[in-house]
Amino acid sequence: AQTVTQSQPEMSVQEAETVTLSCTYDTSESDYYLFWYKQPPSRQMILVIRQEAYKQQNATENRFSVNFQKAAKSFSLKISDSQLGDAAMYFCAYTLQGAQKLVFGQGTRLTINP
Amino acid sequence: EPEVTQTPSHQVTQMGQEVILRCVPISNHLYFYWYRQILGQKVEFLVSFYNNEISEKSEIFDDQFSVERPDGSNFTLKIRSTKLEDSAMYFCASSVERGNQPQHFGDGTRLSIL
Repeated sequence: AQTVTQSQPEMSVQEAETVTLSCTYDTSESDYYLFWYKQPPSRQMILVIRQEAYKQQNATENRFSVNFQKAAKSFSLKISDSQLGDAAMYFCAYTLQGAQKLVFGQGTRLTINP
Repeated sequence: EPEVTQTPSHQVTQMGQEVILRCVPISNHLYFYWYRQILGQKVEFLVSFYNNEISEKSEIFDDQFSVERPDGSNFTLKIRSTKLEDSAMYFCASSVERGNQPQHFGDGTRLSIL
């Protein structure tokens, strides 16, 4: 069975600094997709960034980037120049090629200190 | 930007009663999903729905649960006889395609069973 693990229940960072959220996953498949979702308090989950497993190049979306290590089954999220609006619960998720369900990690609550 | 909308935001129900949670997916999306998150636990997949039938379901989605798309816009989750352990946040999501296409989530319905 596929599993996703986020080992940091909570993280905090000073505004304008950089923070990295960890995610590892377990799968025997080779063709899959990885996602980071952000859930601000009392708001819906929003896609932050996604990565196709067949791509070696790490995905980047403005201040958000990933470090995808396929052999190590690691998919960390780096947030540069942290802003107060980045404060949220961050979920790492996985899905197989052609599959429908997302498998989520436990989430990491990120606090931004002004 | 189009959003997935869910109603109600909070539902309180007596144990043993039926409850229907409602969702309006994004209009051009073809795949619909329900997830739940028990307080303090991971977001878990319940069911996916495509072409007016269930395409995948988890072990959680037993005979007490059903889904329906009664018209061209609504997507509902019914719990026939609620139990205390059904108390959770229920998220609806939709996507254009499956796999690498991101799922767009609603704000969720908090279901409290008394």
